Amino acid sequence: EIVLTQSPGTLSLSPGERATLSCRASQSVSSSYLAWYQQKPGQAPRLLIYGASSRATGIPDRFSGRGSGTDFTLTISRLEPEDFAVYYCQKYGSSPPGWTFGQGTKVEIK
Amino acid sequence: QVTLKESGPVLVKPTETLTLTCTVSGFSLNNARMGVSWIRQPPGKALEWLAHIFSNDEKSYSTSLKRRLTISKDTSKSQLVLTMTNMDPVDTATYYCARTKWDLFDAFDIWGQGTMVTVSS
Repeated sequence: EIVLTQSPGTLSLSPGERATLSCRASQSVSSSYLAWYQQKPGQAPRLLIYGASSRATGIPDRFSGRGSGTDFTLTISRLEPEDFAVYYCQKYGSSPPGWTFGQGTKVEIK
Repeated sequence: QVTLKESGPVLVKPTETLTLTCTVSGFSLNNARMGVSWIRQPPGKALEWLAHIFSNDEKSYSTSLKRRLTISKDTSKSQLVLTMTNMDPVDTATYYCARTKWDLFDAFDIWGQGTMVTVSS
């Protein structure tokens, strides 16, 4: 079973700074099936990126994703106050069908 | 507008069976390009996928919880049901249902608000 490991666990940054979040898979993952979510306290997760690099509807272009194989990255180019949250990567595998989440990265205000 | 809403008991006792319902609107559970999963999140912890049902009624389960889970749907009522047997305090969590879309490579594009379930005697 493929494990997703996110790093760092916590990222302390100031508004306006660039955030780079990592998601590493224990085995190669199809980039088509790698997604990123944002979750704020008391809220359900929100889809940010699907297919490793495609932004979901309504997601600002300061959010970008890239990667392939075992290494994927979510970048927030300039942090806005509303971007401080927990971010999860997630992969889907078809044999057998199943979804896996990383353990999350918290982006907090420095 | 697409929405999903979870409902079920707030409190269950250890060893009991949990039954949760997800009521959807704005799309059909028969839509071949969509499916619905159950996902949970213990307080302060990460998301954990539990089970999924496809439009053709095919089901998929978390390997670690497969023996305890059953997912089903009633298309006429636009509802899905998840049952989890032999509940334990470690199953205390917020339980979400979420939709997948084929053209989003089966990412979860719409989530319910979640329902918090506490397991305690």
